[in-house]
Amino acid sequence: AQKVTQAQTEISVVEKEDVTLDCVYETRDTTYYLFWYKQPPSGELVFLIRRNSFDEQNEISGRYSWNFQKSTSSFNFTITASQVVDSAVYFCALSEMLRAGNNRKLIWGLGTSLAVNP
Amino acid sequence: KAGVTQTPRYLIKTRGQQVTLSCSPISGHRSVSWYQQTPGQGLQFLFEYFSETQRNKGNFPGRFSGRQFSNSRSEMNVSTLELGDSALYLCASSLDRFSYEQYFGPGTRLTVT
Repeated sequence: AQKVTQAQTEISVVEKEDVTLDCVYETRDTTYYLFWYKQPPSGELVFLIRRNSFDEQNEISGRYSWNFQKSTSSFNFTITASQVVDSAVYFCALSEMLRAGNNRKLIWGLGTSLAVNP
Repeated sequence: KAGVTQTPRYLIKTRGQQVTLSCSPISGHRSVSWYQQTPGQGLQFLFEYFSETQRNKGNFPGRFSGRQFSNSRSEMNVSTLELGDSALYLCASSLDRFSYEQYFGPGTRLTVT
């Protein structure tokens, strides 16, 4: 069965600190996608990144970076120099590769609530 | 381009009633998925519609149903409401069935008393 675990329920940091959000997944599929979404207080989920199981290159986008390690089934997310606007709940999710007949459904972690204090 | 819109944003119902939630996807998007979000269970997939047909379904009882119209707008219905149905219901739209990018609406907060 597929499963996503975000062990950190809540994290609180002071502005400008770096913070890493952990994500560990389980799947028997050899091909799959991993996602990170951000949910600010307004409630709307915002897509941050998608990574396929064939690509283990780390990715950096501004202050955000992602570390995908297939050997440990982890897909961690780091925010460098955090800002108050980063305060939100962050979700990691897993999806099997979409092919004819496949179920698109995302398997979600329970989320990590990040509070960045001024 | 306008984003995904969901109406109403907030809803209060009593046990036993039924409710209909609406979702308008991004213009040109033909696939709509619904998710239920609760503090205890997190986000759970309800169902997905494409071309007016339900393509996939999560593990929810038959009280949860949905439909999609020819303009891709979708509605979900919950009959005989239970207290446990209190949740944030999120709608996500995608260009088609095989597009990984899903764009979420702000959700409908349903409270059952």
